[in-house]
Amino acid sequence: AQKVTQAQTEISVVEKEDVTLDCVYETRDTTYYLFWYKQPPSGELVFLIRRNSFDEQNEISGRYSWNFQKSTSSFNFTITASQVVDSAVYFCALSEVLTGNQFYFGTGTSLTVIP
Amino acid sequence: KAGVTQTPRYLIKTRGQQVTLSCSPISGHRSVSWYQQTPGQGLQFLFEYFSETQRNKGNFPGRFSGRQFSNSRSEMNVSTLELGDSALYLCASRQEQGVQNIQYFGAGTRLSVL
Repeated sequence: AQKVTQAQTEISVVEKEDVTLDCVYETRDTTYYLFWYKQPPSGELVFLIRRNSFDEQNEISGRYSWNFQKSTSSFNFTITASQVVDSAVYFCALSEVLTGNQFYFGTGTSLTVIP
Repeated sequence: KAGVTQTPRYLIKTRGQQVTLSCSPISGHRSVSWYQQTPGQGLQFLFEYFSETQRNKGNFPGRFSGRQFSNSRSEMNVSTLELGDSALYLCASRQEQGVQNIQYFGAGTRLSVL
């Protein structure tokens, strides 16, 4: 079974629109971390955020915000006022103690921001 | 601080050949992981090395192997290449192997098998 599910394969938005990327995870562990990465066309995955299982506070960083809800096992990512430079593939990932701290990645969401 | 460096960036091989990819982690990082990325399968975990020992392994055939040196640099080897091995191979390093440690990625090696 997939440990991290990103149901949205591709999303297109017009510049300045808000967009939310969904991430649902599955774990039996009580101690785990969730991550978001951005992969621009150059190929390198760029770390965006880390959140631990004991901290459900939402986080905002500029135009980016993250909503972590343990009750629904979700860690969603919202980009406000999207820009063309936000076009990339975004990956959600889970790291849990139970499986030796291995990273599990979702299949990614390809975001295209149309000018 | 220099990031994760992968060499070469591009590689073209033919079926049946073998290939070695190299990864230099961020200075001070002792864990190196390898991933294969293809359009159809997404990001798939190959293996992770920590202090020269393989700690985790994904579900890949024995043709895929790796090693880590005392300076934490890592190599990945694929023997008897198949067309399906064409992919972007990504290396990631992290300071320790703890659950909280962030993985930082290199730009990848794009392998084409003809």
